[in-house]
Amino acid sequence: SQTIHQWPATLVQPVGSPLSLECTVEGTSNPNLYWYRQAAGRGLQLLFYSVGIGQISSEVPQNLSASRPQDRQFILSSKKLLLSDSGFYLCAWGGYLAGGPKDTQYFGPGTRLTVL
Amino acid sequence: ELKVEQNPLFLSMQEGKNYTIYCNYSTTSDRLYWYRQDPGKSLESLFVLLSNGAVKQEGRLMASLDTKARLSTLHITAAVHDLSATYFCAASVRRGNYQLIWGAGTKLIIKP
Repeated sequence: SQTIHQWPATLVQPVGSPLSLECTVEGTSNPNLYWYRQAAGRGLQLLFYSVGIGQISSEVPQNLSASRPQDRQFILSSKKLLLSDSGFYLCAWGGYLAGGPKDTQYFGPGTRLTVL
Repeated sequence: ELKVEQNPLFLSMQEGKNYTIYCNYSTTSDRLYWYRQDPGKSLESLFVLLSNGAVKQEGRLMASLDTKARLSTLHITAAVHDLSATYFCAASVRRGNYQLIWGAGTKLIIKP
């Protein structure tokens, strides 16, 4: 079965510090991968998506970047965090599951980031 | 450009009552999704609606899709407290690869 992992689960970082969030998927190959951010009490904002190794598309210009060094690994990074980067970061994979359409997205448990 | 609107954004109701959450989308979409998010948790896929007239049911939740009206509904029957959550709808769009365009979410509180 497919599973998606994210770590860390929670993170408190000072303004100006670097960031690295990791997402890995098991049990599937060549998934589409997505990073979302959710501000408190708000909806989902798509940050990045990837259709393959080294292929990253950015939806929102900002101080964040993403990388996909392996087929089932997706990393979200920043060189210098801003206060506005606080939020709940969700990784999702998209792909065929039990005959469903490929655009169905399945979410990881999320990372709650607080920038102070 | 595809846009997705949900209403209401907040709903407080009593147990045992019925209610409907509406999801309108602005242009043609292949599929419509409903997700559930419990407070502080991630999103869980509830339903995928693939065609006009599609209806899916799971327990007290029923989702339907009218592609001509560009409208999906999530109907809650005889609500129970455990259904308290935020519900998101999302419509699928092809931009190179498939992406989901999300509604703002409906926060549902069901009071005993």
